[in-house]
Formats: sequence, structure tokens, C-alpha cells
Amino acid sequence: DIQMTQSPSTLSASVGDRVTITCRASQSISSWLAWYQQKPGIAPKLLIYKSSSLQSGVPSRFSGSGAGTEFILTITSLQPDDFATYYCQQYNSSLVTFGGGTKVEIK
Amino acid sequence: QVQLVQSGGEVKKPGASVKVSCKVSGYLFTDYSIAWVRQAPGQGLEWMGWIRTHNGKTNYAQKLQGRVTMTTDTSMSTAYMELRTLKSDDTAVYYCARLEMGAFDVWGQGTTVTVSS
Repeated sequence: DIQMTQSPSTLSASVGDRVTITCRASQSISSWLAWYQQKPGIAPKLLIYKSSSLQSGVPSRFSGSGAGTEFILTITSLQPDDFATYYCQQYNSSLVTFGGGTKVEIK
Repeated sequence: QVQLVQSGGEVKKPGASVKVSCKVSGYLFTDYSIAWVRQAPGQGLEWMGWIRTHNGKTNYAQKLQGRVTMTTDTSMSTAYMELRTLKSDDTAVYYCARLEMGAFDVWGQGTTVTVSS
């Protein structure tokens, strides 16, 4: 199985900060990488698919990059609504794995 | 609008089975596969498997092979996930989600399954 390693596991930041979250795959997954935002008690929300494609309705301050085994989610100017947990997810050979999550907290 | 609506919460004893439903509306059911993802209390997301709604073929997470079965009723635009031989660590919120371009773009509201003696 492909393992997904997210870092950091927790991140403290302030409104307006630029935030980056990294996700590494244990083997190449081409660009089959998605990012989600989850708030407590609510289903995850898709932000980015195919590594860098912005899901409809998601603010442009969110962006994704990477290919192969290393991927990055960037939030260019953190807003109050962005404090949440973020997960990466790979899709390869019809199997799926999620990263362990990154909690973005208020500094 | 596109919606996935799941069945209500369940409380089960260890060793029992649970079957969760996911009713789709707003699009043609057989156009997209449906996946199941669970989240134990305070933990991350765990993919359980998915079903191709147009032909019923499935892929399951290795960890759950032999205990999980995913099915569909296309006449009802509904997907089902049955988990057998429940253990306490199966206590989780179970989500269905629509699979599109390798990602899950629409999610159900979640179904809490509690396994307790």
C-alpha cells in the first residue's frame, strides 16, 4: 500500500500568514493527489484535485503543487475560516490512502 | 443540487453487523463511483473501499477484506456499506462520498456507528 506522510501534524499561524503543508507519498502517484479541509463534526470538503486543480467554489488563496512523491498545499493569506484540519489523499491503481492530517491552529 | 444523504446513527454490540445507506440525488447514480470513508473519534480519515455504481465492481481496503461488503440499488439510487463482526475500534463516523477525478467531491453527512457491549 502507498503511505502518505503529511507534515507538520500541527501548525500555529496568524491571520494573513502564508501557510504550506507538505504531503509525501511512499512511491510515485503521478498527480493523483487531492487536498481536503475538515472542521469538527463536519464532512471533509474538497479543495484541490489532481495535485493543482482548484475545486469549484474554493477561494483562490488555496493552491496545490507537486507531482510524483512530493506535494504542497499553500494558503497564501490565512483567513479566520481557514483554521481547520487538512488532509491529503492519493488515488493510485484504484486504491486510496489519506495522510494523517495537519491541524492549523490560531497562534 | 447534488446530495448524498445517509441513514441514521446506529448502536451495535460487538460481533454484530451494521448496514449504512447512502441515497444520491441531483445526478445520474451510475455516472459516478461511491466510496466509503470512516473516521474514529479524534482520528484521521480511513478509506474503506469503493464501488463502481455502473457495474457493481468493488475495491476494498486490505484491512477490511472479508468483513466489508459494498452494494448498490440502482433503482433507488442508493449505495450500501455493510460491516460485519463489529469490534469496539469500528466505532466511527462513516461517510459515503462521490468519486470524481481521483478525489471525493461530494460527501454524505456522516453516520455515527457506536460499538459497545
